[in-house]
Amino acid sequence: QSALTQPPSASGSPGQSVTISCTGTSSDVGGYDYVSWYQQHPGKAPKLLIYDVSRRPSGVPNRFSGSKSGNTASLTVSGLQAEDEADYYCNSHAGSNSFVFGTGTKLTVL
Amino acid sequence: EVQLVESGGGLVQPGRSLRLSCVTSGFTFDDYAMHWVRQAPGKGLEWVSGISWNSISIGYSDSVKGRFSISRDNAKNSLYLQMNSLRVEDTALYYCTKDLPGMKGNFDYWGQGTLVTVSS
Repeated sequence: QSALTQPPSASGSPGQSVTISCTGTSSDVGGYDYVSWYQQHPGKAPKLLIYDVSRRPSGVPNRFSGSKSGNTASLTVSGLQAEDEADYYCNSHAGSNSFVFGTGTKLTVL
Repeated sequence: EVQLVESGGGLVQPGRSLRLSCVTSGFTFDDYAMHWVRQAPGKGLEWVSGISWNSISIGYSDSVKGRFSISRDNAKNSLYLQMNSLRVEDTALYYCTKDLPGMKGNFDYWGQGTLVTVSS
């Protein structure tokens, strides 16, 4: 159950797009279509942005999108806004009723 | 409105035990899997344990396996985490989370967390 690998930081200017990667193995990300993404602002509980690789819960803007290729999942934030500045985490099913989070990425809106 | 309210955290010495509780409302508790997720101060998220709606499927992270035990009482709409043999590295904010249908690790609701501090 090693943490999934995410870049420590990412950045973009307002209106731009940014993509955050989440790399695992064939035992987690590559083995299941159960990858989710979370946004966490300082001092707040995380918020679900994407589930089942690419599905968006109601209320989440369509600026947030998810995808997966092999052992790597990705979250793309389009049309960056100031309020998108936060920490982002991926999560994947890892078999045997276990799950694993990514290392987290701090997104800065320049 | 869905609500998840954790309690039971506090300061405890290494090697001692603590039991966390999570009381829920606003949804049909026994329809959903539930999980505990923790976050050490200034660190990232770590999945700790999960339990299916009927308590048949249970999972633990390697870091807590054999020391922690998850359970639920569907009649009381409550989730629990019994933590034994606590270590300094268990210090964290512990979140109670609800899964979407199934047990897929899609945590759609989170409590505000209860802080566990393990220190001598």
